[in-house]
Amino acid sequence: SQQGEEDPQALSIQEGENATMNCSYKTSINNLQWYRQNSGRGLVHLILIRSNEREKHSGRLRVTLDTSKKSSSLLITASRAADTASYFCATSGAGSYQLTFGKGTKLSVIP
Amino acid sequence: SAVISQKPSRDICQRGTSLTIQCQVDSQVTMMFWYRQQPGQSLTLIATANQGSEATYESGFVIDKFPISRPNLTFSTLTVSNMSPEDSSIYLCSAGLAGSTDTQYFGPGTRLTVL
Repeated sequence: SQQGEEDPQALSIQEGENATMNCSYKTSINNLQWYRQNSGRGLVHLILIRSNEREKHSGRLRVTLDTSKKSSSLLITASRAADTASYFCATSGAGSYQLTFGKGTKLSVIP
Repeated sequence: SAVISQKPSRDICQRGTSLTIQCQVDSQVTMMFWYRQQPGQSLTLIATANQGSEATYESGFVIDKFPISRPNLTFSTLTVSNMSPEDSSIYLCSAGLAGSTDTQYFGPGTRLTVL
């Protein structure tokens, strides 16, 4: 299994601060994706980083990938109350479109 | 991107009954998947829905319990059969767009409670 493990499991920050979440996985991957889930709703795709990429940005999001350490981080800058959600990393292996999800980080942004 | 809708959004069912969840995508997709998210947990893949053929199930999931249909490229159903309280979960479908299957787009989920 290449299930990801996120840490921390829960994170509480003040609005305006940066939030960093980490994800580790076990086997070789083709890509790694980050998703957001608001209170038991559907998942929203945030960003995809391929195994040959090291860093990617999208708006206030910055994702890094270190394949030698089998880890990724998601940074949300200048957080807002609306960023309160659970964040999951998901990996897929070479030749497979199936996603294996980590356990998630529950982020609370306090206004 | 793709917009995925699911029906119903939630349901409360009695033990021993079955519920069919529908998933509709607004774009041509190649891959469609069904996931289960138990309370407070992460997502677990149930199966890959194959157009015109039997779904491919993950370990721990069987067709008798979770029959899946996919009659065309944009529509799939998942049935949760002979339900028990342990089946109470959120069920989500996802899809990968034709030509770009790396990114999966998810529906809003169906929250199922079995009494």
